[in-house]
Amino acid sequence: GDSVTQMEGPVTLSEEAFLTINCTYTATGYPSLFWYVQYPGEGLQLLLKATKADDKGSNKGFEATYRKETTSFHLEKGSVQVSDSAVYFCALSDRAGNQFYFGTGTSLTVIP
Amino acid sequence: ETGVTQSPTHLIKTRGQQVTLRCSSQSGHNTVSWYQQALGQGPQFIFQYYREEENGRGNFPPRFSGLQFPNYSSELNVNALELDDSALYLCASSLEGAGDTQYFGPGTRLTVL
Repeated sequence: GDSVTQMEGPVTLSEEAFLTINCTYTATGYPSLFWYVQYPGEGLQLLLKATKADDKGSNKGFEATYRKETTSFHLEKGSVQVSDSAVYFCALSDRAGNQFYFGTGTSLTVIP
Repeated sequence: ETGVTQSPTHLIKTRGQQVTLRCSSQSGHNTVSWYQQALGQGPQFIFQYYREEENGRGNFPPRFSGLQFPNYSSELNVNALELDDSALYLCASSLEGAGDTQYFGPGTRLTVL
């Protein structure tokens, strides 16, 4: 069945460091891919998404590219801030948008 | 615009009991999905409702059931509670035709003793 495998955490970075959180997926068909973020004390929020191969999702300085050849959707940010400290979840949905699979989450802490 | 709301915030039940959790979708959203998130894990998809019909289901037993009402609010019912049902239950709503873009509520924390 479909699944998402996400880089284990926790990850601790200094402010302005480069961030990569790896995500790979297994899916039949052509899924949509997502990154969600959960800030401390808040609910899950959609960070970015991509719906087809080679699409790049971007938001708040974060980017991820849908790579069908490597079945990956790695999250990157060039310069992290303390306010980026949160748990990040990679997820996929089937094309119809009625089956969803989440990774286990990666906790990011950014220190000044 | 009102976001997704869930009630109650916290709930404590004992094994074998039944529980009902409630969700009000974001204004204009007619699709609701429910998730179970165990501590330290990612959300696990339970099912989705669209126009009052179940529209997709994850790998959960039949004792997990749901309803969607004409105003698109939704309930999650869990019968014969087990200790492993202790988790955060999340509701997410989305627009018709954009089922993959979901907006999450804050969740209901269920503890089964």
